[in-house]
Amino acid sequence: QKEVEQNSGPLSVPEGAIASLNCTYSDRGSQSFFWYRQYSGKSPELIMSIYSNGDKEDGRFTAQLNKASQYVSLLIRDSQPSDSATYLCAVNMGGGSYIPTFGRGTSLIVHP
Amino acid sequence: DAGVIQSPRHEVTEMGQEVTLRCKPISGHNSLFWYRQTMMRGLELLIYFNNNVPIDDSGMPEDRFSAKMPNASFSTLKIQPSEPRDSAVYFCASSWGLASYEQYFGPGTRLTVT
Repeated sequence: QKEVEQNSGPLSVPEGAIASLNCTYSDRGSQSFFWYRQYSGKSPELIMSIYSNGDKEDGRFTAQLNKASQYVSLLIRDSQPSDSATYLCAVNMGGGSYIPTFGRGTSLIVHP
Repeated sequence: DAGVIQSPRHEVTEMGQEVTLRCKPISGHNSLFWYRQTMMRGLELLIYFNNNVPIDDSGMPEDRFSAKMPNASFSTLKIQPSEPRDSAVYFCASSWGLASYEQYFGPGTRLTVT
């Protein structure tokens, strides 16, 4: 069964620190990778997408993809209390699948 | 442009009743997805449509669940009869393209079945 694994957390970091969120996936043929942020009681919101190996930066967010090791990570620099949320990793698996598989999410708490 | 619209936002019903959830995707998007989220199981894909045609309904838990997309701007998810274990938040999401690039989620419908 194709899987996407995330540590459920919570990951607790102080304000201003770098938060590092990790995700591993089982299907080597995976092509598309996404990070969603979900505040408590709200819907998932797409914050980053990455399709090729390496780093992709967008403001305080950096997505890192390593297909050989089958992991994707999200770094949040200068973490703010407003970043406190659950972060969902989603992977569009290969093999003709057109739908993403979501991980269970990692809860991030940024404390002042 | 408005995002994905879902109604109702909250639904409380008694076991055995029919429940209909509604979704309007983002204009121009041609793929629509229905998800269910619970603490126990996380976010589960129920069914998705491309160009109004159901592509994969393998996630629909049982025959009590059905979904339709009569046109590009409207979809329904129906549960008949509802059961307490159906209590969850149901999300609709839309995207451009069959390859589910960058899905955009609606606000969700919180369903409680008593």
